Amino acid sequence: NAGVTQTPKFRILKIGQSMTLQCAQDMNHNYMYWYRQDPGMGLKLIYYSVGAGITDKGEVPNGYNVSRSTTEDFPLRLELAAPSQTSVYFCASSKPLGSGNTIYFGEGSWLTVV
Amino acid sequence: AQSVTQLDSQVPVFEEAPVELRCNYSSSVSVYLFWYVQYPNQGLQLLLKYLSGSTLVKGINGFEAEFNKSQTSFHLRKPSVHISDTAEYFCAVSDGNQFYFGTGTSLTVIP
Repeated sequence: NAGVTQTPKFRILKIGQSMTLQCAQDMNHNYMYWYRQDPGMGLKLIYYSVGAGITDKGEVPNGYNVSRSTTEDFPLRLELAAPSQTSVYFCASSKPLGSGNTIYFGEGSWLTVV
Repeated sequence: AQSVTQLDSQVPVFEEAPVELRCNYSSSVSVYLFWYVQYPNQGLQLLLKYLSGSTLVKGINGFEAEFNKSQTSFHLRKPSVHISDTAEYFCAVSDGNQFYFGTGTSLTVIP
């Protein structure tokens, strides 16, 4: 049962570098999400997608980009990394939320920008 | 938009003692309620959820939660905690369009 798979698990970036966090799910979920988690701040939604080819901004999208070319994959791109992007990033997926469906999370990606 | 408040950021409790983690949300006609648990260096796992019906919901690892519509609360309880329950606990609300998470409660079980 793979569920939601994120790579890499850990990464250190220098200021100004770019990188892509990969996310894949094998549950045939239409909805996918990217959250960031900072100590004491809970989870903040960065971007989400309700299906292939459709993406939308969440609460904190600045400095990030996403694409959704397939149902399975939802990569998150960090352009020009800044120290403020040091965080733990979680990818998640779900069926449509209208029936009280659950969001399933990946294991997280720990990113440090120095 | 919903807001979710977890009143206690940190809760220390002795092993085998009972615990209650509090969660309140802003009122809405109809919401779905969830508790997630996050063990150190791991992702969030579903502990339990309330969709409809009985207001007392039982979850994994001996946890339960009670939905109180008049008080807009969904408190999580366990009658006797174990060391392995040390984790971060998140309350979440779904209005059918979005998920809204609380800021989390760090439960530390003391031997």
